[in-house]
Amino acid sequence: GAVVSQHPSWVICKSGTSVKIECRSLDFQATTMFWYRQFPKQSLMLMATSNEGSKATYEQGVEKDKFLINHASLTLSTLTVTSAHPEDSSFYICSARDTTVSSPLHFGNGTRLTVT
Amino acid sequence: AQKVTQAQTEISVVEKEDVTLDCVYETRDTTYYLFWYKQPPSGELVFLIRRNSFDEQNEISGRYSWNFQKSTSSFNFTITASQVVDSAVYFCALLRGGYQKVTFGIGTKLQVIP
Repeated sequence: GAVVSQHPSWVICKSGTSVKIECRSLDFQATTMFWYRQFPKQSLMLMATSNEGSKATYEQGVEKDKFLINHASLTLSTLTVTSAHPEDSSFYICSARDTTVSSPLHFGNGTRLTVT
Repeated sequence: AQKVTQAQTEISVVEKEDVTLDCVYETRDTTYYLFWYKQPPSGELVFLIRRNSFDEQNEISGRYSWNFQKSTSSFNFTITASQVVDSAVYFCALLRGGYQKVTFGIGTKLQVIP
């Protein structure tokens, strides 16, 4: 089945630094990838839709200058949390779908970010 | 607007009991897709099933079964003879036909007690 690899699985950084999270589709090409954020005991909140070769589409309330998304190839999207603060600590999950719109989303294993 | 409601936030059952997780959805679209995902304590989301709006056939996969009823806008998930490894958060999700965004329910945390 389709595999999405996300790296790193966890990261601890100091306040003010930037952190980059990678999301790769390993056995299919994904023109679109999605970035979600999940707070403890809550559902997944869509942050942005990452489009290969173009700008990401951010959901309302998500700061695009803080959460930089780059989708440079059909198999890689990156999320950079810039100038991280403790309130950015969360579980970030990427997902991708192969070419069929109705195909299920396949998720990466998630990245647990802790900002100290 | 699209909405997915999982009214049960937490369920505890004893191992080998059957358990049903409820999912009620709202959409005005005639074409849509419903999904169930499992999120074990390790965090990753595992795809379990997809059902499109034109296929009301129920499905059984091992100990898992799904009951899709358009008349009540429900897509319930039953685990038969539950096992400790079934302990996880289960999410029901809705995708509108022709759209990219998936709407997730809040999730139901299932705890299977040995």
